Amino acid sequence: DIVMTQSPDSLAVSLGERATINCKSSQSILYSSNNKNCLAWYQQKPGQPPKLLIYWASTRESGVPDRFSGSGSGTDFTLTISSLQAEDVAVYYCQQYYRTLTFGGGTKVEIK
Amino acid sequence: QVQLQESGPGLVKPSETLSLTCAVSGVSISSAYWWSWIRQPPGEGLEWIAEISHGGTTNYKPSLKSRVTISMDKSKNQFSLRLSSVTAADSAVYYCVRNNPPVWGKGTTVTVSS
Repeated sequence: DIVMTQSPDSLAVSLGERATINCKSSQSILYSSNNKNCLAWYQQKPGQPPKLLIYWASTRESGVPDRFSGSGSGTDFTLTISSLQAEDVAVYYCQQYYRTLTFGGGTKVEIK
Repeated sequence: QVQLQESGPGLVKPSETLSLTCAVSGVSISSAYWWSWIRQPPGEGLEWIAEISHGGTTNYKPSLKSRVTISMDKSKNQFSLRLSSVTAADSAVYYCVRNNPPVWGKGTTVTVSS
């Protein structure tokens, strides 16, 4: 299995400040067909299903604010929220879809 | 636009079999892609359970393999999950998902209780 290791477990950031979440895969998740990394980021609020924010490591899903961005390659990936808003308080998960599906443990983002 | 919708009983008795169906619209499940079931117990993270390819190839989470069956009905454009001998530990929100690129259903809550 491909293990996804996410850090930190929780993060408190002031409104308007940057939030950065890291995700490391135990092996390469580069899809040879399109030379893109099979990495997605989700936002989950209480009582709601996970919301897809980013796929192919850096492609923003339609309708997702541009303060959310994804980067990285190989085995190291990052989700950045450039200017944290109150509505961004949630748990964030990374996921690889290169071979079956595996998830990071989640990062809880709160307001400082 | 691809959409997935889970359905099934919300309450299952211990030792019985949980059966869920995912209706897919916007794409034929037999044309391409892999399709999965994922679950999330209350207050916990996301756990992949099983997947099936457009051609019917299946993979299962090893710890659940003895109790899980995933199948597809091409005529109805849907795929299904059966989980036998359920216990309270199988209580969760169950999601059906297209693997790559990801598309999720809204999820269905299953509670195992007598």
